[in-house]
This record gives sequence, C-alpha cells and structure tokens, in this order.
Amino acid sequence: ETGVTQTPRHLVMGMTNKKSLKCEQHLGHNAMYWYKQSAKKPLELMFVYNFKEQTENNSVPSRFSPECPNSSHLFLHLHTLQPEDSALYLCASSQTQDSSYEQYFGPGTRLTVT
Amino acid sequence: GQNIDQPTEMTATEGAIVQINCTYQTSGFNGLFWYQQHAGEAPTFLSYNVLDGLEEKGRFSSFLSRSKGYSYLLLKELQMKDSASYLCAVMDSNYQLIWGAGTKLIIKP
Repeated sequence: ETGVTQTPRHLVMGMTNKKSLKCEQHLGHNAMYWYKQSAKKPLELMFVYNFKEQTENNSVPSRFSPECPNSSHLFLHLHTLQPEDSALYLCASSQTQDSSYEQYFGPGTRLTVT
Repeated sequence: GQNIDQPTEMTATEGAIVQINCTYQTSGFNGLFWYQQHAGEAPTFLSYNVLDGLEEKGRFSSFLSRSKGYSYLLLKELQMKDSASYLCAVMDSNYQLIWGAGTKLIIKP
C-alpha cells in the first residue's frame, strides 16, 4: 500500500477527446509530481507542485495541463493528444520538494491515444 | 548534459547473488536512490545513499562512490519475486530526480 492512488488505471482516448487523470495522496506530503514513463526510457518529469504552487514545468506541451487544488490532490488535464503521448503516467508525492526525501508513487494510468 | 547509465537487462538464478551497476553524470549531487518496479505496478523505494560506502538492508545492499560517479545494488539469496525492473535515480543540485532507464532483472529457477 503506497498511499498514493490514481484513477483511472487505464484510459483509451481519441486525439480530439478531453480527459483528466486524478491523483490523491494520503501521506500528508507537500510535494506532488507527474511523470511520463515510456517503454525502455527513463522516467520523464513533467510537473512539480510544492505546497500547491507549480515549481517545475519541464517543457511539457500545452496539451497537458496540470491542476493542484490542494496538497492532497493533483490532476492532469489532457486535450488533443498525439499517439506518441501513449505511455504510463505516474503520480508521486514526497514530504517537500527541496530535500532528499524519497518519492512515493501511485500505480499509474496506462494511456493509449488512438 | 545529465546522464544515468545502467544495464538494460540481467538474468540470474534463484538463490544466487546479482549486482546491478549504475553510473551517473549530473549537475550536482544530493543523493542516489534505487527503486524496484514490478511489471504494471508503481516504483517502490529501496535505498538511498548520499555518503560513500555500503548501506545494507536485509537481502539488499547499495553502494556509492561519489568520486567515481558509481553505485551498485546488490541482491542476495535471490527469490523469484525479485524479478522486476530496478531504477537508479540521482537527485541533482535542484533536488530533481534524474532517472536511468531501469534494469530488468529476470530470475530463473
């Protein structure tokens, strides 16, 4: 039990659809992260929120839009995606961003763009 | 640029010992992490090294040499459930994790 949940676990969407991924952490952490994991590639950091403020946006295309309404919840809004966006999207949390605390991961959302 | 290198795949026998190496070049260093990821599951934290030397935790040990930009994860008394991917990650000067592509470990009976 990691304490980080993600929904949905699987998502298939067309390129013109709009969908949202949800992440919730029950660990009392103050930093939350979105990662993209593609087969045989390193995890790619997409966004970081620390105390509800976005602190990192690693050149992510605008078709991905994050939202962090509070320290426990994180969303990733998706619109007009491309087939190359198909991947596993992982959410993680940690005590805070500016420290060497380990990150706790959710199980991920397997996204397929058709 | 920043880079983490680890072997793509390794095979070992149940009951044996395996060492997974990781070399890194990063902008600053605030520690090195090892994570385990079973297929279709979340990565889970295994170990953290920030000082040189060996950290032992049960069947798993992790070693760090900062001067060489090198770490390894040592797994002893291998069990079938150890079949997974092992991810090496370095925290850089901005406290961002830089990840390797992972090593898929296959355990054979």
